[in-house]
Amino acid sequence: DTAVSQTPKYLVTQMGNDKSIKCEQNLGHDTMYWYKQDSKKFLKIMFSYNNKELIINETVPNRFSPKSPDKAHLNLHINSLELGDSAVYFCASSQGAGLLAKNIQYFGAGTRLSVL
Amino acid sequence: AQKITQTQPGMFVQEKEAVTLDCTYDTSDQSYGLFWYKQPSSGEMIFLIYQGSYDEQNATEGRYSLNFQKARKSANLVISASQLGDSAMYFCACLGTGRRALTFGSGTRLQVQP
Repeated sequence: DTAVSQTPKYLVTQMGNDKSIKCEQNLGHDTMYWYKQDSKKFLKIMFSYNNKELIINETVPNRFSPKSPDKAHLNLHINSLELGDSAVYFCASSQGAGLLAKNIQYFGAGTRLSVL
Repeated sequence: AQKITQTQPGMFVQEKEAVTLDCTYDTSDQSYGLFWYKQPSSGEMIFLIYQGSYDEQNATEGRYSLNFQKARKSANLVISASQLGDSAMYFCACLGTGRRALTFGSGTRLQVQP
């Protein structure tokens, strides 16, 4: 079983559409994250939830809305997609938040979003 | 604030040789962790190795070791006996007590040649 799974793996859509990416982890972790990797491979945190509570909300357009129905799931909904949203979006999870011993973050396989 | 610098955009190494990927960091946190991840061409992010700022010994995981020099603020990844499957992007990252998410460097693309 995949530890952190995200769907879909590829998402091609038109500008202006609304889309969602789903993420699930079966590691029993308390904290989940969304990172964005741009075309230059740079990775940056977008959001983080700890036990279903939002703990990190970086400077991200409010067209992006995370939702955590339970601590094993963290979904990302994007409204009114723009060309600049094209990127790879990674979900990750860790046992806790912050530096707790070695709080390793385990990543999903990524979702490649292409906005046309 | 944290900053990770990886000065080698690309590296080549011959199969079976060792290679060092450089990483320097800057953080205002007293306690922090340093991580290395591998991203093969298939795209997933794979955790490789962790070093805590107060760990006295350098971390090792199989063929991976981390050359941690706290005074120089460097956390270089050493891969011994390179294999073709080691060809990938490698990212250094930092996590501090004051920040709850990883700060990544720009990555180094390693190509292992037969």
